[in-house]
Amino acid sequence: EIVLTQSPGTLSLSPGDRATLSCRASQSLSSSFLVWYQHKPGQAPRLLIYGAFNRATGIPDRFSGSGSGTDFTLTITRLEPEDFAVYYCQHYGGSPWPFGQGTKVEI
Amino acid sequence: QVQLVQSGAEVKKPGSSVKVSCKASGGTFSTFAMSWVRQAPGQGLEWMGGITPILGIGNYAQKFQGRVTITADESRSTVYMELSSLRSEDTAVYYCAGQIAVAGFDYWGQGTLVTVSS
Repeated sequence: EIVLTQSPGTLSLSPGDRATLSCRASQSLSSSFLVWYQHKPGQAPRLLIYGAFNRATGIPDRFSGSGSGTDFTLTITRLEPEDFAVYYCQHYGGSPWPFGQGTKVEI
Repeated sequence: QVQLVQSGAEVKKPGSSVKVSCKASGGTFSTFAMSWVRQAPGQGLEWMGGITPILGIGNYAQKFQGRVTITADESRSTVYMELSSLRSEDTAVYYCAGQIAVAGFDYWGQGTLVTVSS
């Protein structure tokens, strides 16, 4: 089973900063199946990026995804106040579909 | 526009079972790939299992094998998650999630809090 490890656990940044979040897989993945979500307290998670680099509908272009093989990155340029949340990567390939443990982006 | 609406909060005793529903509106329900994801207090997201109604066969995370059953009723456009032998560690918010347009969970229910307490 694929294990996804996210780093860092917490990112302490300020509005306007750039955030770089890492997701490392225990084995090589097809980029087609790497997904990123944003999760805020009291809300359902929101799909940000699918296929490693494709933004979901309505997602601002300050969010971008990259990577291949075992190393994937979510970048948020110019953090807005509403971007402070927990971010998860997920392998959406053949079942099961595990999540990483999450990176909290805090002020 | 697809919407997923879940049943309300539940309080259960240890050892009992809980069944949570998720009703879809909009779209072609039978072709959705539906999953259940939970988040325990202070923990991350955990995929439990899923089903595609038109196929009718659930697939489950190894951790929950034998304890979770996911079913779908196409006539009601509803997917169900039943978790048995509940313990306190099962206290969590349970979300249904749908993979509808893209390879990922692009639609989510609002979440259902299940509390397991004696």
